[in-house]
Amino acid sequence: NAGVTQTPKFRVLKTGQSMTLLCAQDMNHEYMYWYRQDPGMGLRLIHYSVGEGTTAKGEVPDGYNVSRLKKQNFLLGLESAAPSQTSVYFCASSYTSGTGDEKLFFGSGTQLSVL
Amino acid sequence: SQELEQSPQSLIVQEGKNLTINCTSSKTLYGLYWYKQKYGEGLIFLMMLQKGGEEKSHEKITAKLDEKKQQSSLHITASQPSHAGIYLCGADGTSAGNMLTFGGGTRLMVKP
Repeated sequence: NAGVTQTPKFRVLKTGQSMTLLCAQDMNHEYMYWYRQDPGMGLRLIHYSVGEGTTAKGEVPDGYNVSRLKKQNFLLGLESAAPSQTSVYFCASSYTSGTGDEKLFFGSGTQLSVL
Repeated sequence: SQELEQSPQSLIVQEGKNLTINCTSSKTLYGLYWYKQKYGEGLIFLMMLQKGGEEKSHEKITAKLDEKKQQSSLHITASQPSHAGIYLCGADGTSAGNMLTFGGGTRLMVKP
């Protein structure tokens, strides 16, 4: 059971470079999310999607773009990486929210360093 | 937006000791989630609480949501090295949707 798969697991970028993080889920979930985790700050929501073809901004969207062309994939792009974007990035997915008795399924994270 | 404060930020306990982690919200909680993250890995769902006064247990971990639904506690009985990790509380501050916000996390170390 793959669940939520993130690629790559590690990446080092130079300031100004671009890259795309890929998230894939095989649970037919409607909702997908990108979070970043920084020491002492927990997880902060970057962008999310409530279905194929839709995306929305989260708490810290600046410097990132996302796309959800296929239901199972959610891509996070950095057009011009900055050192402040050094972080651990987590993708998550969930069923369409209804009763509130929901939970997120997380990928194992991507460690990104921007020099 | 929902703001969650966790305390303590870090905790070191001797194996076999009990411990409590707290999560306090600035707004009424419609759903409070506890997750555990092992170092270098993703988050694993532990429990979800919705009703005021609700209490749930899983193995040696018990989570409670207070009557006012603005504070939750996570209690571990007879801690073991396998309990080590980062514990995060997450909350959905609205009655619908699943846009969780998370607290800053509590880093737990258990000394054998």
